[in-house]
Amino acid sequence: DTGVSQDPRHKITKRGQNVTFRCDPISEHNRLYWYRQTLGQGPEFLTYFQNEAQLEKSRLLSDRFSAERPKGSFSTLEIQRTEQGDSAMYLCASSPLSYEQYFGPGTRLTVT
Amino acid sequence: AQSVSQHNHHVILSEAASLELGCNYSYGGTVNLFWYVQYPGQHLQLLLKYFSGDPLVKGIKGFEAEFIKSKFSFNLRKPSVQWSDTAEYFCAVTQNTGGFKTIFGAGTRLFVKA
Repeated sequence: DTGVSQDPRHKITKRGQNVTFRCDPISEHNRLYWYRQTLGQGPEFLTYFQNEAQLEKSRLLSDRFSAERPKGSFSTLEIQRTEQGDSAMYLCASSPLSYEQYFGPGTRLTVT
Repeated sequence: AQSVSQHNHHVILSEAASLELGCNYSYGGTVNLFWYVQYPGQHLQLLLKYFSGDPLVKGIKGFEAEFIKSKFSFNLRKPSVQWSDTAEYFCAVTQNTGGFKTIFGAGTRLFVKA
């Protein structure tokens, strides 16, 4: 296994468009996390899954954001009606039963 | 609300200098503590972790960190830095209450001069 992968690596979209990102975790990891990172800041927690169940979602996350993890494998993060403030790096991480997380390379979103 | 503070945003050191990066967290319960590192052009990776037991933990590449419960601190240290340690370092905390939400600090950008 080569680690956590994310697709696409870069996305440029116009304000108001919808975008969807995909994360493929390490296969035996049952926890999956999404974070957002902006310049000069650490990763900001968005949501996490235990298998297919979404167990927690940040209160900072507006209703325009939704995440799914069908069948407990890959996950998708969708942002509807994008805004310029959504421009950031979106990180995915997976974790085994211990708490340490393995991060993917991220998807850089630019909203013009 | 739970938070993680990293004291220095930018640190510049010469090779062979000693390093200490501060990290304080605000949660009063049982926590799991981590330092992650991001080298230029690479993604975040685990440097070291503390779950329980000996409060002095050792990680990769000669790094160590000490958990001081009374000070809510988990400072990262290295006796002698190398140019290859140039990276951004993030402290992270997970509450050990059955939930798995992790809070990261803002990061410290370390530049080591050769």
